[in-house]
Parts: sequence; structure tokens; C-alpha cells
Amino acid sequence: GENVEQHPSTLSVQEGDSAVIKCTYSDSASNYFPWYKQELGKGPQLIIDIRSNVGEKKDQRIAVTLNKTAKHFSLHITETQPEDSAVYFCAASKSRNGNKLVFGAGTILRVKS
Amino acid sequence: DTEVTQTPKHLVMGMTNKKSLKCEQHMGHRAMYWYKQKAKKPPELMFVYSYEKLSINESVPSRFSPECPNSSLLNLHLHALQPEDSALYLCASSQLSEETQYFGPGTRLLVL
Repeated sequence: GENVEQHPSTLSVQEGDSAVIKCTYSDSASNYFPWYKQELGKGPQLIIDIRSNVGEKKDQRIAVTLNKTAKHFSLHITETQPEDSAVYFCAASKSRNGNKLVFGAGTILRVKS
Repeated sequence: DTEVTQTPKHLVMGMTNKKSLKCEQHMGHRAMYWYKQKAKKPPELMFVYSYEKLSINESVPSRFSPECPNSSLLNLHLHALQPEDSALYLCASSQLSEETQYFGPGTRLLVL
């Protein structure tokens, strides 16, 4: 089955700096890659996603890149703010009709002000 | 509106109790999911319902019993749980034609 690896496990950045989180997946049939942000005591919140027919997607300070050949995708957050501090999960799936998301282990992002 | 609601927010139960978790969405999504999340770990899929029918069961013990009474509601019935079942239980939903899953806030369960 699919396996998703996520690095780093923790990341500390200074406010205003950029943060990059990387994930690799094992199943070449996977075609959908969402990123979720989870704050303490809350459920995961979708922040951006990308499909396999696209190489890059951007939404304000957040961008995701996908390299299908290497089977890895990355989350880029620019101009980080203290409210970006949270746990970030990448995930992969390959089907609709009630699809199974396989999550990475998560990255704890701390933005220091 | 992308809201999935879950009740209760917190639940404490003994190993002989029977309780239920409830999830509701009014986005017209026809796929609904239960996930279990242990502390400092990613969510793990338990069950998937498509058109109110169970489509995926990730080999979950029978002490967890899901139910989808209609297209907006998803329940998880709990019976004879073990302390290791203590976790955050997350509900999610999605359109069947789309992959995007929207999560609820979760129910934090403690089994004593």
C-alpha cells in the first residue's frame, strides 16, 4: 500500500522567514496530494492541495510543488507569522468514490516572534 | 460552508459502557469517514461510507460499530472499549466526485 514520509518532524523559523516541508510517496498511482494544518485541540484544516496533472499551485503565502517523477511534493510558506505555528500533515490518495488518505507523520512548525 | 460538526467534544467512559459519537454535515457530501488520531500521530482511517453504505473497513475491532442513518449523519457506536482506544476521533466528509476531505473538530475520548 501507499507510504508517505514527511520531513522534518520539527521546524523552527523566525517570523518573516520561509518554511519548507517535504513529503515523498511510494505509490505512483497516487494522484491527489493535500496539506492539512492542525492546531492544538482542533481537527485538521485543509490549507492547499494539488493534483498530479499540475506541477505547482499557489495561494497567497502558501505554495505546493509536485515532482511526479521523483514522487515527492513540498509545502512552502513564505513570510511566516506566529499564527502559522501548528502541526502540518501531508497526505496522498489515488481514488475517488470514498478515497483513502494516507498521511505523513506530521511536522511541528514553530514560528518565533 | 465547509463545516462538519461532531458531538460530544469530550467523552469519558468506562470499559463496560456503551456510548455513541455523532457527526453531521450539510454540504451534500455522499462520502463520510471516521479517523482515529493518537497524540502526536497522524489520523488513521477507520471506516468509509459511500452513499450511506460501508465501503471501507480498515480491520477495525468490532467494539467500534459505525452507522450512517442518512446522507448527513454518521455515528460511531462504542462498546467494551479498552484504555488504548483513548484518542481523538475525527469525522470527515467529501463529495464522491472530489478527493477533498473536510474534517470536523473531533471528539476526545478517554477510556478508563
